[in-house]
Amino acid sequence: EDQVTQSPEALRLQEGESSSLNCSYTVSGLRGLFWYRQDPGKGPEFLFTLYSAGEEKEKERLKATLTKKESFLHITAPKPEDSATYLCAVQAKVANSGYALNFGKGTSLLVTP
Amino acid sequence: DSGVTQTPKHLITATGQRVTLRCSPRSGDLSVYWYQQSLDQGLQFLIQYYNGEERAKGNILERFSAQQFPDLHSELNLSSLELGDSALYFCASSVEGERDQPQHFGDGTRLSIL
Repeated sequence: EDQVTQSPEALRLQEGESSSLNCSYTVSGLRGLFWYRQDPGKGPEFLFTLYSAGEEKEKERLKATLTKKESFLHITAPKPEDSATYLCAVQAKVANSGYALNFGKGTSLLVTP
Repeated sequence: DSGVTQTPKHLITATGQRVTLRCSPRSGDLSVYWYQQSLDQGLQFLIQYYNGEERAKGNILERFSAQQFPDLHSELNLSSLELGDSALYFCASSVEGERDQPQHFGDGTRLSIL
């Protein structure tokens, strides 16, 4: 069964203090690993898709990397506006022709000034 | 703004009642997905429609049903509501239903059962 585990559950950083969030996954045939950001009261906002081990994507202070068993979201010199819950998901095949995202429970990030 | 519109934003009702949640996908997206988010379970996939046809089912209760109309908007119907159905319900859309396209989410409907 496909599984996605994110760690830590919560992370508190000082502004400018870089760190990484982890997403471990088990899936039969990875078709894509997705990172989303979710602010309170809002829907998940798409950040990145990674398809194969070794792939990296960057956006402002965020960089996502992928290995065969896990993905990391590196946050460099975070700012308070980076505070949010970061969700990782793998795309899983459902039934014969459907696909759905299987989400981890997320990492709640708080960046203090 | 993701381009996915969900209405209403909030819904308060009582046990045993029936409600309908509505979703308009991004322009050009043919596939619509419904998810339920609760504090203890996280985001759980319910059902997918592609161009009007049901494509996949996840952990959707028999009391719940959905459909996608010719204009591609979708509705999620929840009936015989129970306290445990209180949650955030999200709709997402993507260009296609089979390839590895990112799904774009609306801001959800918060359902509270009293």
